Amino acid sequence: AQSVTQLGSHVSVSEGALVLLRCNYSSSVPPYLFWYVQYPNQGLQLLLKYTSAATLVKGINGFEAEFKKSETSFHLTKPSAHMSDAAEYFCAVSALGSSNTGKLIFGQGTTLQVKP
Amino acid sequence: SQTIHQWPATLVQPVGSPLSLECTVEGTSNPNLYWYRQAAGRGLQLLFYSVGIGQISSEVPQNLSASRPQDRQFILSSKKLLLSDSGFYLCATTAQGAIYGYTFGSGTRLTVV
Repeated sequence: AQSVTQLGSHVSVSEGALVLLRCNYSSSVPPYLFWYVQYPNQGLQLLLKYTSAATLVKGINGFEAEFKKSETSFHLTKPSAHMSDAAEYFCAVSALGSSNTGKLIFGQGTTLQVKP
Repeated sequence: SQTIHQWPATLVQPVGSPLSLECTVEGTSNPNLYWYRQAAGRGLQLLFYSVGIGQISSEVPQNLSASRPQDRQFILSSKKLLLSDSGFYLCATTAQGAIYGYTFGSGTRLTVV
């Protein structure tokens, strides 16, 4: 079975500072990994995904994440935070398996606060 | 590309009343469809998923049910709402398997009073 743990339910950074949101996963098969962003009262928007190609994945809005199998991690980073980055971020894992249901298992989410 | 429509955006319902939330998908055929619930301060909990018309799988026992009467229509229902059914409900779809991730609807904020 797959699971995701996001370390830190709230992260606060200053505008212009590095953003680091942590995600560790557990999967018995090679995983597909995703980061989503959610703004208040909206659905989730895909930031980036890892699907067994390059381990460093670049996404939208300047975000990137690195898949580290040895650490079972997929941390999300952005070199310089912008006020508009304030939102909730979800890490998710999926394994196709034989049923191909495409189910995603989400972490509990991390709320990113950006201070001026 | 896929587009997913979900309505209503907000809903306030009394305890014991029925519920019907609808989700439709455009731009793809035979999609996988999912209903998630997001309770305050918690992550997303998968409630139901469907890989085809009339095929519904339930992830957790609960007061809710789902149906898929048409290929691109997914409905979440309840006969009698409970206070604990309050939350933010999200419909999602994936057309080509998990490697593409989900496309999410805009969500329905349900408050049971």
